[in-house]
Amino acid sequence: AQTVTQSQPEMSVQEAETVTLSCTYDTSESDYYLFWYKQPPSRQMILVIRQEAYKQQNATENRFSVNFQKAAKSFSLKISDSQLGDAAMYFCAYRSASGATNKLIFGTGTLLAVQP
Amino acid sequence: DTAVSQTPKYLVTQMGNDKSIKCEQNLGHDTMYWYKQDSKKFLKIMFSYNNKELIINETVPNRFSPKSPDKAHLNLHINSLELGDSAVYFCASSRGGTQGNTEAFFGQGTRLTVV
Repeated sequence: AQTVTQSQPEMSVQEAETVTLSCTYDTSESDYYLFWYKQPPSRQMILVIRQEAYKQQNATENRFSVNFQKAAKSFSLKISDSQLGDAAMYFCAYRSASGATNKLIFGTGTLLAVQP
Repeated sequence: DTAVSQTPKYLVTQMGNDKSIKCEQNLGHDTMYWYKQDSKKFLKIMFSYNNKELIINETVPNRFSPKSPDKAHLNLHINSLELGDSAVYFCASSRGGTQGNTEAFFGQGTRLTVV
């Protein structure tokens, strides 16, 4: 069974600085997808960025980028120029690319605080 | 227009009661899900439906019964509510099949409190 581990329960960053959130996963599959979701205090789950395992190039979305290391099964999220609105819980998630189910397997989350 | 909407947003009820949470998506997706987020914020899949067919039931007590009248709706009915059922329940949807690179869209969650 696949598992996702986020080893940092809480992180803090100064406004305008850069922060990296860690995520590792375990799977025997070769084809899968990885996601970072953001959950602000409003509770809404918002997709931040996704990565296809077959792509070597790291995904980037504006100030958000990932460092995908397939061999190491690592998928970290870098937030550049942090803003107050980035304060939220961040979840790393895994999704198999095969089979009939598209369920997401989540890590335990990292609570990010942004200091003004 | 809200893509995935669930009602109610908040639900406070007594132990032993039966309650339902409704979910609707207007994205034309084939697959819908219920996830449970516990008090430690851990998110776990409960059920998944693809075109009204149940495809995932993750060892959820049979007091929980999902119902999908059509592929745009997935409701969750809970019988004989227990204190441990208190959580946030999220509905989500995505394109179905093996198009795994499609993202899941989430509703705003229903905070269920059993007293």
